[in-house]
Amino acid sequence: EDQVTQSPEALRLQEGESSSLNCSYTVSGLRGLFWYRQDPGKGPEFLFTLYSAGEEKEKERLKATLTKKESFLHITAPKPEDSATYLCAVQANSGYALNFGKGTSLLVTP
Amino acid sequence: GAVVSQHPSWVICKSGTSVKIECRSLDFQATTMFWYRQFPKQSLMLMATSNEGSKATYEQGVEKDKFLINHASLTLSTLTVTSAHPEDSSFYICRTTYEDESAGNTEAFFGQGTRLTVV
Repeated sequence: EDQVTQSPEALRLQEGESSSLNCSYTVSGLRGLFWYRQDPGKGPEFLFTLYSAGEEKEKERLKATLTKKESFLHITAPKPEDSATYLCAVQANSGYALNFGKGTSLLVTP
Repeated sequence: GAVVSQHPSWVICKSGTSVKIECRSLDFQATTMFWYRQFPKQSLMLMATSNEGSKATYEQGVEKDKFLINHASLTLSTLTVTSAHPEDSSFYICRTTYEDESAGNTEAFFGQGTRLTVV
């Protein structure tokens, strides 16, 4: 059974304090691993898709990496506007369904 | 980029009434639409998968007679919560998958979500 575990559940950072969010997964044949940002009361906003171990993608202050067992979302010098819940999801080769983790709630204080 | 438009963004209804939620793909054809519900501080739970022109596939534990899904066209999918009760109050979100063949990417786009409150 596919499983996605995100840690930590919540993270509080000061502005400029870099850190990483973790997404551990088990899946029978990875089609893709997705990262999303979700603001309260809104649908998830797509950030990245990673397909194979060793792949990295960057967008502004965010960088996502992937191994065979986990993915990291690195946040460099975060700003208060980066505060949100970050969701990780995996998609198996068997279809297009996404299996989501519970998310990491990030709060960046000035 | 691909956009999925979902509305209403919020709705309050009386217990026993039905509510329809629409998701439209604005600039591409959505063959498949996924419907999720999300409780506070919880992850997204897949309710059902709908394919254009065919019956939806429901996840275990989801009542298909209560959550009616229609995917009559490649740009519109609807979820109707019938005879709503307070326990149906939740955040409902649609999602589709966009295959960018030129870039070799698969992206998944969500609607903005609908906050349903049943009183």
